[in-house]
Parts: sequence; C-alpha cells; structure tokens
Amino acid sequence: EAGVTQSPTHLIKTRGQQATLRCSPISGHTSVYWYQQALGLGLQFLLWYDEGEERNRGNFPPRFSGRQFPNYSSELNVNALELEDSALYLCASSLELDVGYTFGSGTRLTVV
Amino acid sequence: KNEVEQSPQNLTAQEGEFITINCSYSVGISALHWLQQHPGGGIVSLFMLSSGKKKHGRLIATINIQEKHSSLHITASHPRDSAVYICAVIRGSQGNLIFGKGTKLSVKP
Repeated sequence: EAGVTQSPTHLIKTRGQQATLRCSPISGHTSVYWYQQALGLGLQFLLWYDEGEERNRGNFPPRFSGRQFPNYSSELNVNALELEDSALYLCASSLELDVGYTFGSGTRLTVV
Repeated sequence: KNEVEQSPQNLTAQEGEFITINCSYSVGISALHWLQQHPGGGIVSLFMLSSGKKKHGRLIATINIQEKHSSLHITASHPRDSAVYICAVIRGSQGNLIFGKGTKLSVKP
C-alpha cells in the first residue's frame, strides 16, 4: 500500500511568488492535514480537510489556503511568499478522528 | 504556556541505557500520539494512546488521563534510536494535532 505522497520534495521560490504543494493520502483516507515546521520551531497546524471541506484552520494568514479534491488528494497554496514561509511542510492523512495518522515525507519550501 | 510540554528538551544516552521522555498537557484530549522524526524530516507515528499502555518492540508508551501525563520509554537504547521524539495531542473533535516542541535524543555507541 502506497503511503502519503507529497510533491515536490523541494521547492525554491522568490519572495512575492506563489507556491503550490501537493499531497496524496493513503487510499481510503478521507482526512488530510497540513502542518508547517519552520527551522528551529515545532510543528504547527495549518489546515484540515475532510470529505472535500475545510474542517479546521490554524493560526495562519489567509494567504495560506488549500483545497481537497474528490479523490481526497489535497493542495496547499501559499500566496505572496515571505522569507519566513521557508519551512518543511508536512501532510498527514487519516481515515477518521482518533485513528492513527500517517505522515508524508514533506516538501521543503525555500523562499529567497 | 504551551498546551503540550515535553521534557527533557535534549537527552544524550549511552547505548543500552533505559530512556524516558515525558509529556504533559493542559487540555482535554481524545488521544495522544508519540511521533519520531529523523534528521531528514520524515515523521513516523509510533503510538496512539487514549488510555493505559502500549508496547512495540523496545518502545513502551503509557498515559495517565487523570494526571494529563504520558511517558515514552525506550529499553536497551541503540544509536539508531537517535531522533527527535514528539508528543502530540488531539483535542476532541478538532481533528488536528497539537504538538510538543520535541525531545532530541542522541544515543552514543
């Protein structure tokens, strides 16, 4: 069974540009979570999608947005990139609440 | 104050030692996770607990819901156990994980 896959692995963007990160959950998992891990900081919750809808959102500005497609894959979009957006972005999926999460390997975004 | 606190922040051990990492939380939770993150960044879910104790190989995780405390134990530690161990909790129906800052473990041969 394929795990959670994220693409691209690495992404370099210029300040002010937009970045799009993609996540494919484990087959059958309907929930997708996005987390940010900035250098030297802990993991921070970004977004939770379930059954195509945004269920919860972390304390991030509106330029962080995303969506979940009918096949449960998800995109994270970051507009008007700032230097401090440089981080490892991790996606996780689960079948339902309180069931184990599976994490992807992450996308390392560098904003220059 | 963080909702999830871990201790210690850093831990160095000799191969073979018994290791304990602690996690305390201040909110009501529906479950607690122990995660392992290696230097490359990938995260592996080790345990999910809502009560009692779980064991997998040399790893043991316990949780005391009344005291809002969990521990992760590693028996007969090995250099390959070197990683950051992260405690994370789920609050009710919110779905997302709230993370501790992690414990960086280094096991010396």
